[in-house]
Amino acid sequence: EPEVTQTPSHQVTQMGQEVILRCVPISNHLYFYWYRQILGQKVEFLVSFYNNEISEKSEIFDDQFSVERPDGSNFTLKIRSTKLEDSAMYFCASSVFAGEGQPQHFGDGTRLSIL
Amino acid sequence: GDSVTQMEGPVTLSEEAFLTINCTYTATGYPSLFWYVQYPGEGLQLLLKATKADDKGSNKGFEATYRKETTSFHLEKGSVQVSDSAVYFCARTSGAGSYQLTFGKGTKLSVIP
Repeated sequence: EPEVTQTPSHQVTQMGQEVILRCVPISNHLYFYWYRQILGQKVEFLVSFYNNEISEKSEIFDDQFSVERPDGSNFTLKIRSTKLEDSAMYFCASSVFAGEGQPQHFGDGTRLSIL
Repeated sequence: GDSVTQMEGPVTLSEEAFLTINCTYTATGYPSLFWYVQYPGEGLQLLLKATKADDKGSNKGFEATYRKETTSFHLEKGSVQVSDSAVYFCARTSGAGSYQLTFGKGTKLSVIP
């Protein structure tokens, strides 16, 4: 069964450094998402992406964050200048299209640790 | 604001016990509702879903019914197994043209032999 893959599984970065989290969505999916889960808290929506544009973004997704589909298979989340509070599990997801009842398929996540 | 509330965990059950994990939601629109499961060391997997009132989602012996009158989507299973040990997340869309998922905090289930 096709799946969403994320790399790396664990990323350790010094505060203030840039970090790029990578995702390969399921190949026939058109909508891509990033969520994050700070330890002990809820899974929170960050951003959705379709047709090379951001569709929606949350308040968390400020100017420090950006997303990109650099080629036909990868979808990346960049954090420009990391803060301690960016430490979290980051999940990528994809769906065939966006609509009520359309399931989002998640990767296993990247654990980001900011020192 | 719009939210999803799940029962607090952790929940510990003996094998073959009956499981209920409560989930209620608020939403401005008419949302779709989901249960996701996260096994240790893995990502979120869709367990089941429902898109309209009185719909019942089911998968792997789990069931949940979309109750609009009580704004609930409780997860049930008649006989749990050790392999069901995981964290269960209730989630919804807004139902108002936004398809981002809003999640509950998750309920950790441990099933002991």
